[in-house]
Amino acid sequence: NAGVTQTPKFQVLKTGQSMTLQCAQDMNHNSMYWYRQDPGMGLRLIYYSASEGTTDKGEVPNGYNVSRLNKREFSLRLESAAPSQTSVYFCASSRLADTQYFGPGTRLTVL
Amino acid sequence: QKEVEQDPGPLSVPEGAIVSLNCTYSNSAFQYFMWYRQYSRKGPELLMYTYSSGNKEDGRFTAQVDKSSKYISLFIRDSQPSDSATYLCAMSPTGNQFYFGTGTSLTVIP
Repeated sequence: NAGVTQTPKFQVLKTGQSMTLQCAQDMNHNSMYWYRQDPGMGLRLIYYSASEGTTDKGEVPNGYNVSRLNKREFSLRLESAAPSQTSVYFCASSRLADTQYFGPGTRLTVL
Repeated sequence: QKEVEQDPGPLSVPEGAIVSLNCTYSNSAFQYFMWYRQYSRKGPELLMYTYSSGNKEDGRFTAQVDKSSKYISLFIRDSQPSDSATYLCAMSPTGNQFYFGTGTSLTVIP
């Protein structure tokens, strides 16, 4: 049981480049989430998916798109990366409202 | 004003001490309250979960929610060096959107 996996672990982009962060869970959870974590700002929700086929905006969705590919996978896309998107990105999943399981994170630097 | 306020610390205590961590919030609609522990360069892991008001105990950890004061606490008894981490509070009105505090950095000195 791998739990929540994220790829890649590290990435460096130039301003304007695009990339997709991948997330997968093997716990048969309905809900999945993307967060970013910045010093002094805590974890902020970018997008979430309450079930397969649905996605909703969180607190900081601008500059990002998501795809809930199937029940297991939830990807986050940066179409045109900006230095302000330098952050650590966490994916999480949950079966119920009380328990979120987090992945190990992706450290993204945009130059 | 941020939805959730948490003192970032850092907090440094001797081994065996009782640790008190706190968060305040402004949204009276919050019903779900959680505490996460995050080790350096790792993802957060859930420690405690409370629905609505009241206390919950799990081993050395006790979570308290006071909705009338919009204040939640996490107490750690007999603190150990392995408790050294950043502690994040989180809250949700619906169980879908979660709002996190900025985290409190704790160091337990042997």
